[in-house]
Amino acid sequence: NAGVTQTPKFQVLKTGQSMTLQCAQDMNHEYMSWYRQDPGMGLRLIHYSVGAGITDQGEVPNGYNVSRSTTEDFPLRLLSAAPSQTSVYFCASSSPDRGTEAFFGQGTRLTVV
Amino acid sequence: AQKITQTQPGMFVQEKEAVTLDCTYDTSDPSYGLFWYKQPSSGEMIFLIYQGSYDQQNATEGRYSLNFQKARKSANLVISASQLGDSAMYFCAMREFNTGNQFYFGTGTSLTVIP
Repeated sequence: NAGVTQTPKFQVLKTGQSMTLQCAQDMNHEYMSWYRQDPGMGLRLIHYSVGAGITDQGEVPNGYNVSRSTTEDFPLRLLSAAPSQTSVYFCASSSPDRGTEAFFGQGTRLTVV
Repeated sequence: AQKITQTQPGMFVQEKEAVTLDCTYDTSDPSYGLFWYKQPSSGEMIFLIYQGSYDQQNATEGRYSLNFQKARKSANLVISASQLGDSAMYFCAMREFNTGNQFYFGTGTSLTVIP
């Protein structure tokens, strides 16, 4: 029962470095999303996808890119990391059906120094 | 405007007592769902309970119930008979089914259960 798998769990980056957070789900969900969690701010939507080949911006998209070439995978790219991107990142997937919850990965704790 | 508002940053409850965590929401979509998640200190997000906007009855799942007051746009989580393991962060979320169908989360409430 893998569900939603995120890698890595922890990462330290230097300012200006780039990296990709990986997210994969095995539930054949059409919807996938990336959130960042910061103290006192809850979970904020970065980017989302409603199916392979379709992505859109959420509330806080600046500094992040996504792509969705397959149903299973939804990577999040940080092009040039900044200290303001220090956060915990969650990937989630869901079906479009009403009443169905979002399933979350374990999270990635990212520190940018 | 915030779609989900949780006004209690921190709450304390005595073990075995009931506690209510507040959540208000803002939407013009008549078709939406409200969700509660628990995040223990280990960090994972655990789904607790769901309420649909057209549901006539308040949702219940074991010790969790959702006090849904549609006119007030509130969806409070009630935890009965609190246990030490209930100490966690709790998030309220909304999904607007006709408007993007994405999940929007509140800022969370940190619940501490006192022995």
